[in-house]
Amino acid sequence: QSALTQPASVSGSPGQSITISCTGTSSDVGGYNYVSWYQQHPGEAPKLMSYYASRRPSGVSDRFSGSKSGNTASLTISGLQPEDEADYYCSSYTSSSTVIFGGGTKLTVL
Amino acid sequence: EVQLVESGGGLVQPGRSLRLSCATSGFTFGDHAMGWFRQAPGKGLEWVGFIRSKAYGGTTEYAASVKGRFTISRDDSKSFAYLQMNSLKTEDTAVYYCSRDRGDIVTGYLAAYEFWGQGTLVTISS
Repeated sequence: QSALTQPASVSGSPGQSITISCTGTSSDVGGYNYVSWYQQHPGEAPKLMSYYASRRPSGVSDRFSGSKSGNTASLTISGLQPEDEADYYCSSYTSSSTVIFGGGTKLTVL
Repeated sequence: EVQLVESGGGLVQPGRSLRLSCATSGFTFGDHAMGWFRQAPGKGLEWVGFIRSKAYGGTTEYAASVKGRFTISRDDSKSFAYLQMNSLKTEDTAVYYCSRDRGDIVTGYLAAYEFWGQGTLVTISS
């Protein structure tokens, strides 16, 4: 099963909003709501930012919101802050009972 | 406080075996699926596999890249998860993480990994 498709990089200025896309197929993103997003700062473990397509774990800022339409999931970060600069990964459950990740998106806060 | 601590990493020759352990605390271990992930140097995250809670059969699933070589197990009495890695290849070199799924015996598996260990480095080289 191929990895989910994410842009390699996105950027935005403090206070702006950005959206990271994650495109899969009907066998993963499109077939299930089990889509998650993770934030990873260099040298640290990943942090769950969104799950079940649009739910937010407690403790995660409401500036982060997940959504899904068809075979594409998205993570929107509003009111960009310098500490949001990190790598972001989407993942999805698949019809093979496995989990696949996107290649990751590097967010740069200008 | 939920804690996960991996151990067992190190330098191993190709073809050899290694067992990673994941010690957990701060939650009812038996209620949750546990996953293993890895990240090669400078690369993205890769799901290795997971083990369901006993309530859901305690069965396992694996990524194609490790299926037949890696085995995940759990000891609910000790709150430990394990990753047995056999026939190791140079491409298995990575930081390995264990993680707890957010779902529990009520919600079932959510494929959403909320708590992570700090990772343990596995280097496969002759």
